[in-house]
Amino acid sequence: DAGVTQSPTHLIKTRGQQVTLRCSPKSGHDTVSWYQQALGQGPQFIFQYYEEEERQRGNFPDRFSGHQFPNYSSELNVNALLLGDSALYLCASSKTGVETEAFFGQGTRLTVV
Amino acid sequence: AQSVAQPEDQVNVAEGNPLTVKCTYSVSGNPYLFWYVQYPNRGLQFLLKYITGDNLVKGSYGFEAEFNKSQTSFHLKKPSALVSDSALYFCAVRDLRGNTPLVFGKGTRLSVIA
Repeated sequence: DAGVTQSPTHLIKTRGQQVTLRCSPKSGHDTVSWYQQALGQGPQFIFQYYEEEERQRGNFPDRFSGHQFPNYSSELNVNALLLGDSALYLCASSKTGVETEAFFGQGTRLTVV
Repeated sequence: AQSVAQPEDQVNVAEGNPLTVKCTYSVSGNPYLFWYVQYPNRGLQFLLKYITGDNLVKGSYGFEAEFNKSQTSFHLKKPSALVSDSALYFCAVRDLRGNTPLVFGKGTRLSVIA
């Protein structure tokens, strides 16, 4: 079992550009959540996807959007990048209705210059 | 709203000594509590969780945590620290009522000195 995989591992973008990050959940998991971890901070919840729909959303602007595919994989899109979007973006997968822990990927380090 | 407080930014302990990393939480319902560890440039690794039952839960790598409902705390402990335990530790909480997301504390950096 490969666990949760994220791509790419590192990314450098220019202000104003758009970026897409990808996540494949752990086998058997159907729910994907995305978190932003700024330097020196704890992860902040962006949104959660289940059955290809956004189920919950944290306090992030509409520039942050996502998608979940029928195979449960997910994408995080960020438009009009700002310097403040530089962070480690973490994907976590879990199984809805089962009281198990969320499993995290290794993250994508996004740097906006 | 849920929240987690980790009052210490940094904890230093000598190798072989016991360690404690503190966490307090706030939820409106019953809590579902977790500890995760993060090594440099890596994602979060699950250590242990509390849902119900015994207030002392045991997890990976010899770590354990004690749930105290009256003090709304969930402190992480280990009887004998190793240098390899040096990392960033996060406490997280979910409300058991509904599919609420994990809310994390800001993290505590543990440094174990040989």
